[in-house]
Amino acid sequence: SQTIHQWPATLVQPVGSPLSLECTVEGTSNPNLYWYRQAAGRGLQLLFYSVGIGQISSEVPQNLSASRPQDRQFILSSKKLLLSDSGFYLCAWSEGSEKLFFGSGTQLSVL
Amino acid sequence: AQKITQTQPGMFVQEKEAVTLDCTYDTSDPSYGLFWYKQPSSGEMIFLIYQGSYDQQNATEGRYSLNFQKARKSANLVISASQLGDSAMYFCAMRVHNDMRFGAGTRLTVKP
Repeated sequence: SQTIHQWPATLVQPVGSPLSLECTVEGTSNPNLYWYRQAAGRGLQLLFYSVGIGQISSEVPQNLSASRPQDRQFILSSKKLLLSDSGFYLCAWSEGSEKLFFGSGTQLSVL
Repeated sequence: AQKITQTQPGMFVQEKEAVTLDCTYDTSDPSYGLFWYKQPSSGEMIFLIYQGSYDQQNATEGRYSLNFQKARKSANLVISASQLGDSAMYFCAMRVHNDMRFGAGTRLTVKP
């Protein structure tokens, strides 16, 4: 069966520090991969999605970037975090146009 | 561009009663999918129900049903016989090709 792993669960980082959040999927091949951010009590904002290795679609211009170095690995990065980058980050995957399966999320606090 | 709108920030329902959560959408693409997810306080996203734009019948999954009115571009979620465990955030989402967008969510509180 397919599983999705996202880590860490919580992260506290100072302003200006780098960021790397990793997401991996098991049990499937060539999945669509997604990064969303959720502010406290708010909806999900689509940040990036990828339909294949090296293919990244960016939805929001910001200081975040995403990479897909392997078929089932999706990484969210930043060179210098801002206070406004705080939030709950969710990774998700899907097969084609099917429903999304979400990871357990990372609560990022930038102080 | 795709747009999903949930106009109810919060809803209250008495236990065992039915509740309808509203969702409207906008897209010019004739092929799309509509989804509802539940997010409890733990933060996990739980898939509830799906409706395809070409589906003739309204989708149902147990106590969940999706009231799909294509001409009005609405996809309301109906929860029958509410339970205390239904208290959570509910998100409507629309998928066009590989692009999946979510509404702002509705916080449902079930009262005993």
